[in-house]
Amino acid sequence: DTEVTQTPKHLVMGMTNKKSLKCEQHMGHRAMYWYKQKAKKPPELMFVYSYEKLSINESVPSRFSPECPNSSLLNLHLHALQPEDSALYLCASSQGDTGGYEQYFGPGTRLTVT
Amino acid sequence: GQNIDQPTEMTATEGAIVQINCTYQTSGFNGLFWYQQHAGEAPTFLSYNVLDGLEEKGRFSSFLSRSKGYSYLLLKELQMKDSASYLCAVRDRAGGSYIPTFGRGTSLIVHP
Repeated sequence: DTEVTQTPKHLVMGMTNKKSLKCEQHMGHRAMYWYKQKAKKPPELMFVYSYEKLSINESVPSRFSPECPNSSLLNLHLHALQPEDSALYLCASSQGDTGGYEQYFGPGTRLTVT
Repeated sequence: GQNIDQPTEMTATEGAIVQINCTYQTSGFNGLFWYQQHAGEAPTFLSYNVLDGLEEKGRFSSFLSRSKGYSYLLLKELQMKDSASYLCAVRDRAGGSYIPTFGRGTSLIVHP
């Protein structure tokens, strides 16, 4: 199983809503990532979890809150988002966060904030 | 941090060969990845280079020159399905982070 799954595929939310994005992998990978990608732009790193601990937070606003309940799951909790937060949110995993380990990406959640 | 540069867009003909270049500046180079991303889909891994030279994988090859801060992705026998964005990602160990940073990507259009 070399798959990273993400739910939901699409999400529309208002600026006062609270929602969560979910990511799951069963490859035994110990590093998991959240990226944000705008149209025609490269993925921008948001958070990195290594061995279920947050290792990198790329100065992301507190309205985005990551959570890693176990080694297979990664959540991104959303609250009081702005329209400019509309983007494709990609989850990825890799065997580790060092070494030549490629990242496996999920299909993404297309988020629209109204 | 890294300064990664790729052409924005390239076009090529089905059956031809195309080379997509990537130049970078880092203070602690620690590997370079190439990913393919079709519109609306997730990136998929193509290749990894950490030492100088050419890595070949079927129709795709990737080359690295660390002294020149330069890599290229070579696609042979182009097919229509190769139309996609190609992302160069560079890992820099400076600052203790080993996470690759993505370049802006090169949009490749393959026409008949």
